[in-house]
Amino acid sequence: DTGVSQNPRHKITKRGQNVTFRCDPISEHNRLYWYRQTLGQGPEFLTYFQNEAQLEKSRLLSDRFSAERPKGSFSTLEIQRTEQGDSAMYLCASSLVQGGTEAFFGQGTRLTVV
Amino acid sequence: GIQVEQSPPDLILQEGANSTLRCNFSDSVNNLQWFHQNPWGQLINLFYIPSGTKQNGRLSATTVATERYSLLYISSSQTTDSGVYFCAAYFFQGAQKLVFGQGTRLTINP
Repeated sequence: DTGVSQNPRHKITKRGQNVTFRCDPISEHNRLYWYRQTLGQGPEFLTYFQNEAQLEKSRLLSDRFSAERPKGSFSTLEIQRTEQGDSAMYLCASSLVQGGTEAFFGQGTRLTVV
Repeated sequence: GIQVEQSPPDLILQEGANSTLRCNFSDSVNNLQWFHQNPWGQLINLFYIPSGTKQNGRLSATTVATERYSLLYISSSQTTDSGVYFCAAYFFQGAQKLVFGQGTRLTINP
């Protein structure tokens, strides 16, 4: 197992376009998290899944954002009608199902909206 | 509310110096992790340390859960230690997610 994998690594898009990011967690991990990080800040929680169930969404996750984990394996994060304020690093992490176990992060997807 | 605070926000040292980074958290935690963010943005796990002391080479960490703080020590700093260090905690109260501090930016000059 090579760890958490995110694709693409970089995405440049025009304002108003839709974008989709993918996260492949560590294979035995049941929990999958999405975070967003802007320049000079710590990562901020967006949402998390336990298996295929989305158990919590942050207020940061506007109606333009949707996340799925259809078979409890990989996850996708879609942003519709992108805005310049969506430019950020999007980070995915996974951990075992028990709360509080060690989380491991992927390389991130850097989104630039022009 | 649930908060994680890191200090100092910036630290500039000469190569060979020792450094101490601090993380305070507002409530009881059942997990605390230290990360180093590499220049490409990936968070690299340094320590999973809800309590006690751990060491890994020149790095060590101590969490005193009863007093709600954790310390990361870097001895004999090297230029490759430069970067941003984050601590993050799972709290017993509240949602099941890591809450991050704002980070400490460490610069090691040759």
